[in-house]
Amino acid sequence: SQQGEEDPQALSIQEGENATMNCSYKTSINNLQWYRQNSGRGLVHLILIRSNEREKHSGRLRVTLDTSKKSSSLLITASRAADTASYFCATGGGAGGTSYGKLTFGQGTILTVHP
Amino acid sequence: ETGVTQSPTHLIKTRGQQVTLRCSSQSGHNTVSWYQQALGQGPQFIFQYYREEENGRGNFPPRFSGLQFPNYSSELNVNALELDDSALYLCASSSGGVGTGELFFGEGSRLTVL
Repeated sequence: SQQGEEDPQALSIQEGENATMNCSYKTSINNLQWYRQNSGRGLVHLILIRSNEREKHSGRLRVTLDTSKKSSSLLITASRAADTASYFCATGGGAGGTSYGKLTFGQGTILTVHP
Repeated sequence: ETGVTQSPTHLIKTRGQQVTLRCSSQSGHNTVSWYQQALGQGPQFIFQYYREEENGRGNFPPRFSGLQFPNYSSELNVNALELDDSALYLCASSSGGVGTGELFFGEGSRLTVL
């Protein structure tokens, strides 16, 4: 079963525009991660936000976390054609302990950035 | 490049056959997780190996089994293949009890069951 649900399922924008993807989850979390997947390839980690953090930035990425609403958003600013990919949120795991690699992924948002 | 390598990249099997997929983890990582990703879906956790022991399992039947070796590389074995086993199988490594929580994924093995 999927813990996280991304919204929208697909997003199509022009280069230079911002892209916002949302993720909702069901149970309490230690952290939430965002991953990117180019078509049919492996996943690449983008950013991790801990449950006691509300916002985090990494380059053109901005992630917010609202634990009261069990939701997170990923904002990609000034998008580029190379940002075209699927984006997944994932919960579970976390540093330390034995649950490290046990992530629960959402179904993803397919982002298409047109040149 | 994450340093996690998987083989084979593609393979085709028929229903009822058995398959073994292999994964070499990133240097220094002692934890390997396996995921199944059906077309258009997010990855689903199969199981995790930590220091050669299975350490957590998702909702997959016993015909999905695995091994981790002393060098922390890993195998995923699937017996009695079914059509629904067709998917991208992803291996991810991490540093277990230390580190940031990030998983490092390989490029996957795409299995087609006919």
